[in-house]
Amino acid sequence: SSELTQDPAVSVALGQTVRITCQGDSLRSYYASWYQQKPGQAPVLVIYGKNNRPSGIPDRFSGSSSGNTASLTITGAQAEDEADYYCNSRDSSGNHLGVFGGGTKLTVL
Amino acid sequence: EVQLVESGGGLVQPGGSLRLSCAASGFTFSSYWMSWVRQAPGKGLEWVANIKQDGSEKYYVDSVKGRFTISRDNAKNSLYLQMNSLRAEDTAVYYCARENDFWSGLYYYYMDVWGKGTTVTVSS
Repeated sequence: SSELTQDPAVSVALGQTVRITCQGDSLRSYYASWYQQKPGQAPVLVIYGKNNRPSGIPDRFSGSSSGNTASLTITGAQAEDEADYYCNSRDSSGNHLGVFGGGTKLTVL
Repeated sequence: EVQLVESGGGLVQPGGSLRLSCAASGFTFSSYWMSWVRQAPGKGLEWVANIKQDGSEKYYVDSVKGRFTISRDNAKNSLYLQMNSLRAEDTAVYYCARENDFWSGLYYYYMDVWGKGTTVTVSS
């Protein structure tokens, strides 16, 4: 099996830039995808692949990857960005299992 | 509109069974891997199971192997999760999601469409 590791909590001042990271062996073979989840709501895909945003996702969200670490960057964080963020990838076993990171609670100060 | 709608959640006693359904619309259901993801109260997301387009491959997280069965009916655009021998730790909101998986330099894997979830509570 595979694990993805995220910092449990991160904070950022309004309008500043924040990076949320995700580490795991499977990220050497798979791009991470990133999901935003607000209380009581379903997750929403915000970044996938090398650095792709689904339609409707603001361009202040971006992604990057290096080795076994993937990063989600929010440039100019807004109050509405306060949420839980999860990274996701395939398991590194070679089978089609999925795996999520433990999640990062983002607080916008 | 691309949409996934889950149903079938509820309160069940430990050791009981429940069958979740997920109705897909607005896209060619038979062209996608589909998955179930759950979230226990106050906890993070946990990938549970997925199934290939034609149902020929199925994968499960270790904690549900032998108890849960994922299936699909492409004629009905529906995904299912049969849950047997339920335990308190299976209590969660269960989401169905559409998977995308392809190679372009590195492997891309992401879930771009999610349902709103259905709540399963296992308690006596």
